[in-house]
Amino acid sequence: QVQLVQSGGEVKKPGASVKVSCKASGYTFSKYGISWVRQAPGQGLEWMGWITSYNGNTNYAQKFQGRVTMSTDTSISTAYMEVKSLRSDDTANYYCARHQGDYGDYCFDYWGQGTLVTVSS
Amino acid sequence: SYVLTQPPSVSVAPGQTARITCGGNNIGSKSVHWHQQKPGQAPVLVVYDDSDRPLGIPERFSGSNSGNTATLTISRVEAGDEAGYYCQVWDSSGDHPVFGGGTKLTVL
Repeated sequence: QVQLVQSGGEVKKPGASVKVSCKASGYTFSKYGISWVRQAPGQGLEWMGWITSYNGNTNYAQKFQGRVTMSTDTSISTAYMEVKSLRSDDTANYYCARHQGDYGDYCFDYWGQGTLVTVSS
Repeated sequence: SYVLTQPPSVSVAPGQTARITCGGNNIGSKSVHWHQQKPGQAPVLVVYDDSDRPLGIPERFSGSNSGNTATLTISRVEAGDEAGYYCQVWDSSGDHPVFGGGTKLTVL
C-alpha cells in the first residue's frame, strides 16, 4: 500500500535551518510529483511548493522563494524540503503529499503523517 | 491568484445532512477536491474530481460543482465526521494548488 513516512519532529532556534524527509513506498516514486504543505497551529493548509520526482523540477510559492529548497533522491524514493532562516512563525506541521490525476487538475491522494517543526529561542 | 472561500464553521445534528460550500470564480470549470482533517491527524482525501470517492470513503460523502460554488455533502452525519474540511483546486495559471480556508464541522 502507498505510504509517505516523514522524519521526526524538530526544535530549532531562530535563524537555523531544518530539513524534513518524506520516504515513499508502495508505488513507483518517479511517476508522481510531491507537494509540501504546512499548517501553523490552529490555522489552515498552506501550499509551499512542489517537485516532480523524475527530473527534480520545482515550483515554489512566492512567499517561500529563496528560503525553501526541495529535492528528491530517487534511489531511495525520498523527497526532502529544507527551510532556511527559520522564524518563530515557521512553527508548524509540515506535510508531504502525493500528486494524483491529470496535469493541471491534481489532487493529493496520499499525505505523510506530518512533521512538527518548532522554532523557539 | 485564485481564491476559494469556505464558511468557517458548520454545525449539524447526528443523522442529519451537512453541506459545506466552497466558492470561487467560475469554479464549475475546475475540478474540486475535498480533504478531511481530524484533530491531530494528517488530511485525508474524501472526494476528488468534484464527485468521485477514493476507495474506502463511505458513500455518505458526495460532492457537486456548478457555477461559482462547489459543495461537499455528508449524509447521515456521525460523530466521527467531526473534522476540518478543505476544498482544493489546481490553479493552472500559476501551476499550483489552492486551498480554501477550511470549514470546521461540529456534530451537535
